[in-house]
Amino acid sequence: GDSVTQMEGPVTLSEEAFLTINCTYTATGYPSLFWYVQYPGEGLQLLLKATKADDKGSNKGFEATYRKETTSFHLEKGSVQVSDSAVYFCALNEGFQKLVFGTGTRLLVSP
Amino acid sequence: KAGVTQTPRYLIKTRGQQVTLSCSPISGHRSVSWYQQTPGQGLQFLFEYFSETQRNKGNFPGRFSGRQFSNSRSEMNVSTLELGDSALYLCASSLDGAANYGYTFGSGTRLTVV
Repeated sequence: GDSVTQMEGPVTLSEEAFLTINCTYTATGYPSLFWYVQYPGEGLQLLLKATKADDKGSNKGFEATYRKETTSFHLEKGSVQVSDSAVYFCALNEGFQKLVFGTGTRLLVSP
Repeated sequence: KAGVTQTPRYLIKTRGQQVTLSCSPISGHRSVSWYQQTPGQGLQFLFEYFSETQRNKGNFPGRFSGRQFSNSRSEMNVSTLELGDSALYLCASSLDGAANYGYTFGSGTRLTVV
């Protein structure tokens, strides 16, 4: 079945460092891909999405490009802030009204 | 525009009891789906409803059930609670369940079974 694999965390960075969180997927068709963020004690917030190959999703300085050839959707940000500390989830949807999530990657940013 | 509202936020129940959780989607959204989040299993899909019909169901025992009302509000029910049912239960709404429109999540209901 469909699956999403994320890099293990936590990822620990200093403020203004460059961020990459790796995400690869396995799917039989052509899924839509998402990044969600979860702050402590809260639900999930959609960060960005891409619905077809070579699409780039972007929001709040975060970017991810849908790479069909490598089945990847890596999340990047050029300069992280302390307020970016959260858990980030990569997810896919293949049209069956459900999301399949990765295990999440915790990001810790120190001043 | 109001977001997805889940009630209650926190719940403590005893093994063997049953529980009902509620979700009010964004106005105009007709699809509601439910997820269970635990430290061990991560985020797992429970079921999805659209226009009062269950369209998809995850791999959970029959003790987990749900329904959707004509105003799109949804409830999920867990009967004969077990310790392993302790989790954050998240509800998500979307226009029609299609990926293009995205899914908006509520803040969740934290269920503790003792």
